[in-house]
Amino acid sequence: QVQLQESGPGLVKPSETLSLTCTVSGGSVSSGSYYWNWIRQPPGKGLEWIGYIYYSGSTNYNPSLKSRVTISVDTSNNQFSLKLSSVTAADTAVYYCASYDGSGYFFRPWGQGTLVTVSS
Amino acid sequence: DIQMTQSPSSLSASVGDRVIITCRASQSIYSYLNWYQQKPGKAPKLLIYAASSLQSGVPSRFSGSGSGTDFTLTISSLQPEDFATYYCQQTYSTPWTFGQGTKVEIK
Repeated sequence: QVQLQESGPGLVKPSETLSLTCTVSGGSVSSGSYYWNWIRQPPGKGLEWIGYIYYSGSTNYNPSLKSRVTISVDTSNNQFSLKLSSVTAADTAVYYCASYDGSGYFFRPWGQGTLVTVSS
Repeated sequence: DIQMTQSPSSLSASVGDRVIITCRASQSIYSYLNWYQQKPGKAPKLLIYAASSLQSGVPSRFSGSGSGTDFTLTISSLQPEDFATYYCQQTYSTPWTFGQGTKVEIK
């Protein structure tokens, strides 16, 4: 079964770029059935969808973050990545990667999540 | 953006209680409505998709209903492992959005 695992720095300085990678195992990012997503959750708060990438490279971003977000896919390493620029303390959150099932219209599975703190 | 509003934001219940959580969308989302359960320090887990379809492996005490703008998640007999936060989510149109969550606590 497909499993996802986030990786990347846990601490980022204000105004810098947050970079995370999600490694997919048990399946392929080149599968046409899935869209590969990033979602975040500030401490003690709710869930916010950041955006997705399809294996073809097409993307869809949340307008609230669109000017700062880039999601890319690396099919050779079976990974997809998130870059969020010009971060502030408000970007401190647990970041999850998740697969969106294009036939079922839901997110499953999710990675375990990784906490990214923005602080100098 | 489609706004998702859950009620209540939190509730206290006892083991064996019937629990109902509601979710309202700011416009019709047909049946593009999912429910997730999240426990502290864990990723959300899919419970219900397409408003009323039970995800494989999820206990049958969980059920979902509704269409259009009004939806419910029902736990027929609350078990100790069900104390968690529950989120609804619409996947009708991007940006996909979640409700603010309902925390189910032990009475």
